[in-house]
Amino acid sequence: EAQVTQNPRYLITVTGKKLTVTCSQNMNHEYMSWYRQDPGLGLRQIYYSMNVEVTDKGDVPEGYKVSRKEKRNFPLILESPSPNQTSLYFCASAEGLAGQEQYFGPGTRLTVT
Amino acid sequence: GENVEQHPSTLSVQEGDSAVIKCTYSDSASNYFPWYKQELGKGPQLIIDIRSNVGEKKDQRIAVTLNKTAKHFSLHITETQPEDSAVYFCAASTNAGKSTFGDGTTLTVKP
Repeated sequence: EAQVTQNPRYLITVTGKKLTVTCSQNMNHEYMSWYRQDPGLGLRQIYYSMNVEVTDKGDVPEGYKVSRKEKRNFPLILESPSPNQTSLYFCASAEGLAGQEQYFGPGTRLTVT
Repeated sequence: GENVEQHPSTLSVQEGDSAVIKCTYSDSASNYFPWYKQELGKGPQLIIDIRSNVGEKKDQRIAVTLNKTAKHFSLHITETQPEDSAVYFCAASTNAGKSTFGDGTTLTVKP
């Protein structure tokens, strides 16, 4: 089944404790992206990647890192999480160039205390 | 950067009525305009999209119109059904990979 998977689905952590949210797609998509969703603010793009070893900042990249060493994986790293990073995070992938339908994962709900 | 405004934030209609959601964008470089539906506890899912070289697109009960000159696009749902109740997001994307979403519209269809 074609899908985007994220792990973990739920995470409660403390301020400053490094964490990684994994994202994997099995559709051989070139484009991948991370978003955060907060009430009333829609989805805001954190980072995106057009291909392996190519990453770019979205609108809200501060406090986040990403890497794209393999085509199928696009992990989101929070080196020192803070309470304002409490949010619902979605990973998405798309075939080929940007400007295509994005397939979203199920989301990761992160709480930083 | 791109700014996408979406209205209304909430919309309540009777079953069978039509629903219209409107979005405006600011970046002339945006050339792909998808609409996503998000059901509770799930990720957004594409329902229809339109590219900048097309003015209108229809898929059964759903249609999208784009006015490039005015930089606005709209989602039209006809003959609404209770299962259309969800949060709807518009977005504007460029070939460079950036995607900007609207803040969402919560649509409620009353039986």
